[in-house]
Amino acid sequence: EAQVTQNPRYLITVTGKKLTVTCSQNMNHEYMSWYRQDPGLGLRQIYYSMNVEVTDKGDVPEGYKVSRKEKRNFPLILESPSPNQTSLYFCASKRTSGFYEQYFGPGTRLTVT
Amino acid sequence: EDQVTQSPEALRLQEGESSSLNCSYTVSGLRGLFWYRQDPGKGPEFLFTLYSAGEEKEKERLKATLTKKESFLHITAPKPEDSATYLCAAHGNNNAGNMLTFGGGTRLMVKP
Repeated sequence: EAQVTQNPRYLITVTGKKLTVTCSQNMNHEYMSWYRQDPGLGLRQIYYSMNVEVTDKGDVPEGYKVSRKEKRNFPLILESPSPNQTSLYFCASKRTSGFYEQYFGPGTRLTVT
Repeated sequence: EDQVTQSPEALRLQEGESSSLNCSYTVSGLRGLFWYRQDPGKGPEFLFTLYSAGEEKEKERLKATLTKKESFLHITAPKPEDSATYLCAAHGNNNAGNMLTFGGGTRLMVKP
């Protein structure tokens, strides 16, 4: 089944404790991205990657890092999480950098206390 | 700056009562208008892509249309299982990195 997977699905952590949210897609997509979704603010892009070893900032990159060492994986790293990073996070992918639909993962609900 | 506005924010319908959701966009050089369905706590599920004014796409009870300023998602004879939040997103010429500009969504509730 073609899909985007994320782990963990739920995470409660404390301020300053480094964490990684993994994202993997099995559709051989070149393009991958991370979004966060907050009430009243909608979906906002954090980082994106056009291909392996090519990443760039989205709308709200502060406090996040990413890497793209393999085509299928695009982990999101929070080196020192803060409470304002409490949110619902989605990974997405699409086949190329053209004007195609993105396919979203199931989401990771992160709470930082 | 690109903007996408959806209305209404919430819509309650009786089962079988047809209606339309609106997505107004201000985007420099629209390259694609996307509709997604999102169930609570889940990721957005792709529904349609529209590329040019006048284009229409259908899937079961849903039909999406596009003009130069708006897109509509028409829901014909909805069922309770159509209850969800519907998101539209635009991709314009100015969207660096293929970033989508999302609207705030319309939360649809269909009562039996």
